[in-house]
Parts: sequence; structure tokens; C-alpha cells
Amino acid sequence: SQTIHQWPATLVQPVGSPLSLECTVEGTSNPNLYWYRQAAGRGLQLLFYSVGIGQISSEVPQNLSASRPQDRQFILSSKKLLLSDSGFYLCAWSPRRGFGGELFFGEGSRLTVL
Amino acid sequence: AQKITQTQPGMFVQEKEAVTLDCTYDTSDQSYGLFWYKQPSSGEMIFLIYQGSYDEQNATEGRYSLNFQKARKSANLVISASQLGDSAMYFCAGRAGSYQLTFGKGTKLSVIP
Repeated sequence: SQTIHQWPATLVQPVGSPLSLECTVEGTSNPNLYWYRQAAGRGLQLLFYSVGIGQISSEVPQNLSASRPQDRQFILSSKKLLLSDSGFYLCAWSPRRGFGGELFFGEGSRLTVL
Repeated sequence: AQKITQTQPGMFVQEKEAVTLDCTYDTSDQSYGLFWYKQPSSGEMIFLIYQGSYDEQNATEGRYSLNFQKARKSANLVISASQLGDSAMYFCAGRAGSYQLTFGKGTKLSVIP
């Protein structure tokens, strides 16, 4: 069966510090991968998605970046965090079967920038 | 692209009663998919149910059913026989013409014993 893991689960970082969140999918190959952010009390905002190694699409301009160094690994990074980067970050994967491919989410990473 | 609207910020339901969570969508695409997710206080997003635009019958998964009214562009989630464990945020989402899944702002459901 397929599983998705992301870490760390909780992170408290000072403004201006770097960030690296990692996500790994197991039990499937060539998945679509996504990073979403959820601000407190709000819905999910798509940040990045990837349809293959090295292929990253960004949905919103920001100081975050994403990379996909391996087929089942997706990394969210920042060189210098802002207060507004605080939130709940969710990694997700979906199989490639058109519109019926539901997203399966990781456990989430709660980032607090102080 | 799709726009998803959930107009109920919060809902209350008595245990063992049924509840309907509203969702409307806006898209010009003919092919699209609609999804519902549950987010308990732990934060994980749990997939509940899916409806394709060409599906003629409403989707059902256990106590969850999706009331799909294409002409009204609505995809309401019906939870029958509510349980205390159903208390959570519920998100409607849609996908049309791309790999993206667009989410509504969510409805907080509280089940009262």
C-alpha cells in the first residue's frame, strides 16, 4: 500500500532563518506531488506541484521554493523565513489518472516563525 | 480552473441525526472532479468521497453521500447518523483542466451528544 510521510511535524524558527521540509512517498511510482499551505482557520492554498523529477510549477509568488530530486521525494525550502510563512504545510500525492485522482495527504508540518 | 464556495463556516448537528454540508462550484470545463475531505483537530486531511462530472449516480461511501446537482453546480456532502467522531473541518475541493485541486474555505462541523 502507498504511504506518505513528511517531517518535521513541528518547527519553530526565527525570522530570517532557512527552512527545509521533506516529503517522501512509498509504494507508488511517478506520482504527482504537491505542497499546500493552510493558514490558521482557512482553507488550503496550493504552493507547488510536480509531475516529474525536476519539474516544479509554482502557483503563488513567494520566498519559498520546491525541489524534486528523486521520483518520490519533494522538498519545500526557504532561504529566509518571513513571519507570514507561519502555517500548516501539507504534502500530498496523487496517481496520474486524470480528474479522478484524489490527493492523499501527509501528516502535516506546523511551522511557527517568530 | 475551478472556484469552490462553502458558505457555512460552522454547523451543529445532534448525534445520530443527518447533516448536509453545502458546496457550490464554478467551472467552464465539461470534465471535472469534486472531492470532500475531513480534517480532524490533528490536522491530517482524510479523503472521504469523489464525484466525477460524468457520473450519473450520486457517489456514496458508507455514511457519506454526495448530493450532486449538476445544473445547480452544487456538490453537497450528506453525513447520515452523525457520530461524535465526525466533529471536524470539512473541505470541498474540485479539479478541472489541470493537476491542481482547489479547496473551499471549509465548514466546521460540531456533533452534539
